[in-house]
Amino acid sequence: SAVISQKPSRDICQRGTSLTIQCQVDSQVTMMFWYRQQPGQSLTLIATANQGSEATYESGFVIDKFPISRPNLTFSTLTVSNMSPEDSSIYLCSVEEGDGGTEAFFGQGTRLTVV
Amino acid sequence: QKEVEQNSGPLSVPEGAIASLNCTYSDRGSQSFFWYRQYSGKSPELIMFIYSNGDKEDGRFTAQLNKASQYVSLLIRDSQPSDSATYLCAVSSWGKLQFGAGTQVVVTP
Repeated sequence: SAVISQKPSRDICQRGTSLTIQCQVDSQVTMMFWYRQQPGQSLTLIATANQGSEATYESGFVIDKFPISRPNLTFSTLTVSNMSPEDSSIYLCSVEEGDGGTEAFFGQGTRLTVV
Repeated sequence: QKEVEQNSGPLSVPEGAIASLNCTYSDRGSQSFFWYRQYSGKSPELIMFIYSNGDKEDGRFTAQLNKASQYVSLLIRDSQPSDSATYLCAVSSWGKLQFGAGTQVVVTP
């Protein structure tokens, strides 16, 4: 299975600032996914990141708030911009493996607290 | 609206008993089905995935899929206190996962 490293593992940030989260995979993958887990909630997909193209955002998420980069097949970043306390969540990077996405794995997550 | 439904629990299970978790989904185009375990404050950990109708066993875990009924379940045999966690059902369509709200399982000694 793919090994996914995510940095930072946690951070406390001031409102109005931005944080960039990095996701590194130990193998080349076509698609990388970014999820958010708000306190006490399940995971929600933010966007899908393909190498060499713009990320595709889910309803309720916009590029200005969550810009994503995907410079190569093993790396992606998610930026949480102009943060507010409502952005306090765990942010997770995920990749798929296998035909038809038969396995999906997560990084260890970034626990973000906005004060 | 594509939905994945789970009972939130908590599901209380005596140690050594079988825990049975259920999940229904609305998108008939879903291709793969996953069960994740999540301990408080930790990232989800993949337990099992299944994409064909029937049963799939891995150690103490058995996943069951019925696409006609749009139903997937997870059985945990010989439940241990370390199995106490939230179990997330996820449904995949072309790699994009949609999650249920999770079922909290509490294994009591």
